[in-house]
Amino acid sequence: KAGVTQTPRYLIKTRGQQVTLSCSPISGHRSVSWYQQTPGQGLQFLFEYFSETQRNKGNFPGRFSGRQFSNSRSEMNVSTLELGDSALYLCASSELTGSGELFFGEGSRLTVL
Amino acid sequence: TQLLEQSPQFLSIQEGENLTVYCNSSSVFSSLQWYRQEPGEGPVLLVTVVTGGEVKKLKRLTFQFGDARKDSSLHITAAQPGDTGLYLCAGSIYSGNTPLVFGKGTRLSVIA
Repeated sequence: KAGVTQTPRYLIKTRGQQVTLSCSPISGHRSVSWYQQTPGQGLQFLFEYFSETQRNKGNFPGRFSGRQFSNSRSEMNVSTLELGDSALYLCASSELTGSGELFFGEGSRLTVL
Repeated sequence: TQLLEQSPQFLSIQEGENLTVYCNSSSVFSSLQWYRQEPGEGPVLLVTVVTGGEVKKLKRLTFQFGDARKDSSLHITAAQPGDTGLYLCAGSIYSGNTPLVFGKGTRLSVIA
């Protein structure tokens, strides 16, 4: 079974730009969660989607948004990038929503200059 | 405020030594998970503990969930360089539709 695939792996943007990150979950998994990982704050929950519906949302500004498609693939978008948005963005899939085992991708490392 | 506090933040030990890392909270968790993350990769689940007082073993790793389900520990016996990585605890306060919250992690380095 293929694992969670995130693209792109690395990207560099400048302040004010926007970025879209993509996540393909493990086949059969309907839940996709997004986390932001930084050295200072660790992993912080962004949002979770299940069957194309946002089930949970973390404490991030509205510049952070996401969506899930009918094939369970998910995208997250960050608009008007700030320097502080530089981080590793991790996507995780699971069979069910909630607190079951999460299978993480390798992440998308975003650098904002 | 961090819901899950992990200690120590950093740990550097020699191969063959034993170590314990801790995950503490003032909240009660319905379950707690431990993940290990290696450089350039996402976290990988090691174990899930559900019952207060539960002890689980995974080869040289021993995980314990506190009786009150507010804390957990991970003990590694005879650490090896392959144990190097970031150890993360993650918990869910309510079972069901709540996201996992993560501690900031303990970065372990085992020197040969």
